[in-house]
Amino acid sequence: RKEVEQDPGPFNVPEGATVAFNCTYSNSASQSFFWYRQDCRKEPKLLMSVYSSGNEDGRFTAQLNRASQYISLLIRDSKLSDSATYLCVVNRPGGADGLTFGKGTHLIIQP
Amino acid sequence: GAVVSQHPSRVICKSGTSVKIECRSLDFQATTMFWYRQFPKQSLMLMATSNEGSKATYEQGVEKDKFLINHASLTLSTLTVTSAHPEDSSFYICSARDSGRANYGYTFGSGTRLTVV
Repeated sequence: RKEVEQDPGPFNVPEGATVAFNCTYSNSASQSFFWYRQDCRKEPKLLMSVYSSGNEDGRFTAQLNRASQYISLLIRDSKLSDSATYLCVVNRPGGADGLTFGKGTHLIIQP
Repeated sequence: GAVVSQHPSRVICKSGTSVKIECRSLDFQATTMFWYRQFPKQSLMLMATSNEGSKATYEQGVEKDKFLINHASLTLSTLTVTSAHPEDSSFYICSARDSGRANYGYTFGSGTRLTVV
């Protein structure tokens, strides 16, 4: 099983729609979870951290289910500028530093 | 805040030559920096953890003699790809964490696209 698994997509979604991404992680000892956004041929940029209680930042909502080792990202009222690859990221547990990345989910918002 | 600068952004080199990539934390000190590599349509893979004043920690399968890492100061880490071959062509990205920030988020440099011909 891959350490962090995501549906690669692409997700083709009309502007204004709501879209949801899911991600599973294999190591139950992971403690920190993030969603990063990566534009084509650019570096990843932090979109939001994911907390156990769930958290929201504007149009973006992240949820964590530790029992199922599952993370989600919901984007409401999608904009053309939301088109990107969304990376599910978890910390490397066991005292190791650094991050483990999923392959990313490619989102295309269509006008 | 928490800006990481990476240089160069793009480099083309001949097979057999060496390439040095620099990663600087501009507004914070980083005792630890990370080097990742990303092949097309693949996820970022951690290559090594760079530790200021001590040896880097390499991930399994990454040759330490080929990918030389130097972290001589709290704001600079360098990655040297020695005797580069076409299969080393990739997107190399450094990252650092400003432990003074609440969410312990990692900031990435803008990446270096290496093409070995």
